[in-house]
Amino acid sequence: QVQLVESGGGVVRPGTSVRLSCAASGFTFNDSPMNWVRQAPGTGLEWVAFLSNDGSNKFYADSMKGRFTISRDNSKNTLYLQMNKVRPEDTAVYYCARRRGYSPRDAIDVWGQGATVTVSS
Amino acid sequence: SYVLTQPPSVSVAPGLTARMTCGGNNIRSKTVHWYQQKPGQAPVLVVYDDSDRPSGIPERFSGSNSGNTATLTINRVEAGDEADYYCQVWDSYDDQVVFGGGTKLTVL
Repeated sequence: QVQLVESGGGVVRPGTSVRLSCAASGFTFNDSPMNWVRQAPGTGLEWVAFLSNDGSNKFYADSMKGRFTISRDNSKNTLYLQMNKVRPEDTAVYYCARRRGYSPRDAIDVWGQGATVTVSS
Repeated sequence: SYVLTQPPSVSVAPGLTARMTCGGNNIRSKTVHWYQQKPGQAPVLVVYDDSDRPSGIPERFSGSNSGNTATLTINRVEAGDEADYYCQVWDSYDDQVVFGGGTKLTVL
């Protein structure tokens, strides 16, 4: 079945780096644009970044530009999020999510179960 | 940046109709999607492209988009519909995905 499984979360110190991974299965990954979306404790959904199916187009939320990098390895069916110089306000559940079509207007139709990142000293 | 405004909460008795709004400047010019999120779970797409339903979503769920307001309607509400609901659009001006703040639906 269609599945996204995130990994790489945990407790990290402020100012350090962490990389999240998302393993995809059950669909043609190299044909699927992907997103990262996060949710801080007790708050709503916040979009983080988008990456086109071939990696040629990337978009980031303004608050994360310059610190976060989205990437993918289509040979491994895996999406990544490199988070640098993390801050306590980056504490959140990070969801890997598939866009259902090529257009930026398309909805997100598949979500992973989420990876928790806690930034604390 | 584009802003989507949702009421924090909506309450409805079982069997009645719940309407949740999503306000945005000329939102009718954008394509709106809706997600349902139950506690401790990942979001689920319930309406896409303003008014279409993914397979597996009951016909009780419907959407509309007009003027400055998009609306998610749930007919014959059930206890299992209790959840947070988020609207979402693509802001082509800033190349950003935008989510509304979410509405908590309580089934009385």
